Amino acid sequence: EDKVVQSPLSLVVHEGDTVTLNCSYEVTNFRSLLWYKQEKKAPTFLFMLTSSGIEKKSGRLSSILDKKELFSILNITATQTGDSAIYLCAVEQSENSGYALNFGKGTSLLVTP
Amino acid sequence: DTGVSQDPRHKITKRGQNVTFRCDPISEHNRLYWYRQTLGQGPEFLTYFQNEAQLEKSRLLSDRFSAERPKGSFSTLEIQRTEQGDSAMYLCASSLALVARDTQYFGPGTRLTVL
Repeated sequence: EDKVVQSPLSLVVHEGDTVTLNCSYEVTNFRSLLWYKQEKKAPTFLFMLTSSGIEKKSGRLSSILDKKELFSILNITATQTGDSAIYLCAVEQSENSGYALNFGKGTSLLVTP
Repeated sequence: DTGVSQDPRHKITKRGQNVTFRCDPISEHNRLYWYRQTLGQGPEFLTYFQNEAQLEKSRLLSDRFSAERPKGSFSTLEIQRTEQGDSAMYLCASSLALVARDTQYFGPGTRLTVL
């Protein structure tokens, strides 16, 4: 059975800390891995990763994929209270699996002042 | 604002009633997806359309659920004879499928509460 597992499920840090969120997966017909940020509304797209070892970076956020070990990490440096959200990892499967996104349960991040 | 809109944003209904939700995707996006999200869980795939064709349905989509995308633009999701277990956030996403990778962009969701 396809699965996407995120850890930790929740995390509380102080402003300025660096956090690492984990996502491991076991799916058939892997196509890409995506990270989304969800506040009290729609998930907003952060990164799409398709190749191993190539870091994607956007400001204080960065992510990398390891297709051999089947995991990805999302790093946030110098955290701010506005980073408080649920971070969702999703794996996109290929055409044979309908292109649907298979999501993990998310990591709930709270950044305290 | 990603450009995907959903209506209504909230719906409260009594068990046994029918409800219909609407999703307007980003203009020119040819793929449209429906997901359901319950508290503490990630979104779960329900169904997707490429243009007006419904190409995939999850086994989560019971016979009481039906989705349409009649002209390949907006889509509707209807739930008949609602049950309390249908209470969830229903999310719509759209993407532009090209040869390269296509990213799904989500709407704000419709939160359904079945009493």
